[in-house]
Amino acid sequence: DTGVSQDPRHKITKRGQNVTFRCDPISEHNRLYWYRQTLGQGPEFLTYFQNEAQLEKSRLLSDRFSAERPKGSFSTLEIQRTEQGDSAMYLCASSYLREDGYTFGSGTRLTVV
Amino acid sequence: KQEVTQIPAALSVPEGENLVLNCSFTDSAIYNLQWFRQDPGKGLTSLLLIQSSQREQTSGRLNASLDKSSGRSTLYIAASQPGDSATYLCAAPPPFGNEKLTFGTGTRLTIIP
Repeated sequence: DTGVSQDPRHKITKRGQNVTFRCDPISEHNRLYWYRQTLGQGPEFLTYFQNEAQLEKSRLLSDRFSAERPKGSFSTLEIQRTEQGDSAMYLCASSYLREDGYTFGSGTRLTVV
Repeated sequence: KQEVTQIPAALSVPEGENLVLNCSFTDSAIYNLQWFRQDPGKGLTSLLLIQSSQREQTSGRLNASLDKSSGRSTLYIAASQPGDSATYLCAAPPPFGNEKLTFGTGTRLTIIP
């Protein structure tokens, strides 16, 4: 297992289009997280899954955002009707136990033009 | 609400020097504290994880300390190298309840050859 994988690495889209990102966590990790990071800032929490259940959602996750983890393995994050303010790095992380800490992926850089 | 502060925002030091990065948090009720490294345009790489019951952790030239009573953690880098140039972020989750990691805004470190 090579760690947390995110796809694509970069995405450029026109305002108003929908985009979907994928995250493959470390295989034995049951916890999966999505974070968003804008330039010069630390990552901000978006949502958290334990297995297939979405247990927490940030207020940052407007109704244009939806995340799924259908079989408790990979996860997808969809943004509908993208806006320029959605331009950011979207980071995925996974963990098994809280005391093990978090492993992050390389992120998906979204640019909305 | 937990707030994490990292000062300074940027730091430049000559190669070979030892240096200390600071992380302060407002709520001492943390589960653990994790230090990450982020290269430009990349994801986060975990450096060190300190449990709330521990005082410090060491990995190679890196040493992280934790003082919960004062709400502070430090990352000590010995014999700095140009390859250490990156942004360093600290993050802490609450001890129970939600799983949200709260990040600082990071310290951008430049090692001058």
